[in-house]
Amino acid sequence: EPEVTQTPSHQVTQMGQEVILRCVPISNHLYFYWYRQILGQKVEFLVSFYNNEISEKSEIFDDQFSVERPDGSNFTLKIRSTKLEDSAMYFCASSGYSGANVLTFGAGSRLTVL
Amino acid sequence: AQRVTQPEKLLSVFKGAPVELKCNYSYSGSPELFWYVQYSRQRLQLLLRHISRESIKGFTADLNKGETSFHLKKPFAQEEDSAMYYCALNGNTGKLIFGQGTTLQVKP
Repeated sequence: EPEVTQTPSHQVTQMGQEVILRCVPISNHLYFYWYRQILGQKVEFLVSFYNNEISEKSEIFDDQFSVERPDGSNFTLKIRSTKLEDSAMYFCASSGYSGANVLTFGAGSRLTVL
Repeated sequence: AQRVTQPEKLLSVFKGAPVELKCNYSYSGSPELFWYVQYSRQRLQLLLRHISRESIKGFTADLNKGETSFHLKKPFAQEEDSAMYYCALNGNTGKLIFGQGTTLQVKP
């Protein structure tokens, strides 16, 4: 069964450093998403991406965040200058089409900001 | 505002007992509702969606628009059902809005 792959599984960084989280969505999917889950809290939507541009973003997704699909397979989330409160599990997801279809999630990347 | 509420953080039952995980939503249009499950150390995975009207692993969920609910039910819980369960709403933009999650603990 096809899977969404995320790397790294865990990253520890110093406050103020840049972090890039990588995702390889399912190959024939067209819609890509990032979600995050702060420890003990619910899974929150960050951003959706389609046709090489952001289609929707949440209030959390401020200027410190950016997403990119640099080639035909990777989908990255960059945090320019990490803050302590960025410590969370970040989930990538993809779907075949928007609306009623199902999102397939990756295993997540745990980010710890010290 | 779009919102999903799961009132119980933890639900603990004995094996063989019925289970109902509650989910209420707030959405002005016609949402699509999902249940996702996360077993220990595994990724979030789809359990079921309301438009399929199917039973997966013995679980069912019926969308009640009058009560704006989408409760997840299983008549006889098994130990392997122990996991975190998330109710989620898709308001037709592709983005999922999750509830807080309910930990189901099935005791032997």
